[in-house]
Order: sequence, then structure tokens, then C-alpha cells
Amino acid sequence: GAVVSQHPSWVICKSGTSVKIECRSLDFQATTMFWYRQFPKQSLMLMATSNEGSKATYEQGVEKDKFLINHASLTLSTLTVTSAHPEDSSFYICSASVAGGLYEQYFGPGTRLTVT
Amino acid sequence: QKEVEQDPGPLSVPEGAIVSLNCTYSNSAFQYFMWYRQYSRKGPELLMYTYSSGNKEDGRFTAQVDKSSKYISLFIRDSQPSDSATYLCAMIRNQGGKLIFGQGTELSVKP
Repeated sequence: GAVVSQHPSWVICKSGTSVKIECRSLDFQATTMFWYRQFPKQSLMLMATSNEGSKATYEQGVEKDKFLINHASLTLSTLTVTSAHPEDSSFYICSASVAGGLYEQYFGPGTRLTVT
Repeated sequence: QKEVEQDPGPLSVPEGAIVSLNCTYSNSAFQYFMWYRQYSRKGPELLMYTYSSGNKEDGRFTAQVDKSSKYISLFIRDSQPSDSATYLCAMIRNQGGKLIFGQGTELSVKP
């Protein structure tokens, strides 16, 4: 149980284009989903927290106009990287917490984004 | 100063060794403590969680929390090559709060 999927697992895009990453909770309802970014050999950096039906809450220093987050349903959240640049290349990971749960977050497998 | 400090390693041990992984933290408000395992190019997998101080055992894994010292540990007994991964500690102040991660310790278990 508590499986989170991400799609795509790996994407290459050209500089200036936008790319959308999907995060789905497969066997539970997730009222809250989180988006993280991870650089090689570094820990996870929280980008934003999204609650179903509400606007996402972004962490300090994260550009909300560049990283668009939509949490349209209890099982789906999307992250769109707009006008991507090479410095946006990173490993993006989502997680979801179970509705009514305490503190457990279940992570997706991650999406590797490469901007050329 | 980071809220959570964790030695990034790398840590290399022979198969069958007991592994000790540790984190220190500065904020006494943290109440829930977790250990995640992350294989290369994969998302983190929750291994164990503990509320407040104390020990918790699950198979070959034991998690310890000492809130008075602001120090948490994960012990792995009879380590296996399949345990080779990065181990991240994480903690949270309260229900629905933000997870704060350590940097992660890279562990390699040699056959």
C-alpha cells in the first residue's frame, strides 16, 4: 500500500520550453502533496506544499511563476517547469501524505529533468 | 547552522558488520523522527519512524532517539550488500508539518 508514482521518470527538454511532471497516489487519497528537488549527493530540498483544491505554498526562494503546481484531485498533483533553463536540471521528487494520517510521507520514484 | 546535521560519509563496511548512522539536530520542537533509505536515482523509502525519545526495532534495524541530547541513530545489524544506499534522517515538529532532512549518509556494504 501507499504507492506514489511519477511520470515521466526521465525527460530531456530544450532550453525555453516547459515540461510537466505528474505525481499520483495510486492506492490512497492524499490531501497533501509535496514537491522536492535534489541535487547529486545532496539532500532533498522542499520546493512547495500543495493541498487538494488550494494554491500551493512555496518555500522561500522558489519562484512560483517558474514552478507551477496544481493539485486538482486527491490523487494527482502536477509540477510544470516553465521556460526551463539548464540550471533547472535536477531530480524532482514528489511525496504524498495520507489523508488523516500523522506524519508519514510516501515518496515517488523521482523524475530526472535534463535541460539542454 | 543547519537544523539537522548528518555526516555524508561515504561509509564502507564489510558484509555482516553492524552499522551505526547518526544525526544531530538543533530544534527541540521536533517530535517525530524518521529514517529513509534512498537507492541511487530512486525516491526515498520510509524505513522507520519514532515518536519522541526511545528505541524502536524492526528486524535488523533499530532506531534510537535521545531528545535530551538532540541525537538520533539508526543501527543496522548483519549488514548486507543490498543495504548499500543513502540513508536520510528526517524530522518533523508536528502533524502535517514540514519534513526536515539531513544531508544523507552514503553507505556501501562490501561482500
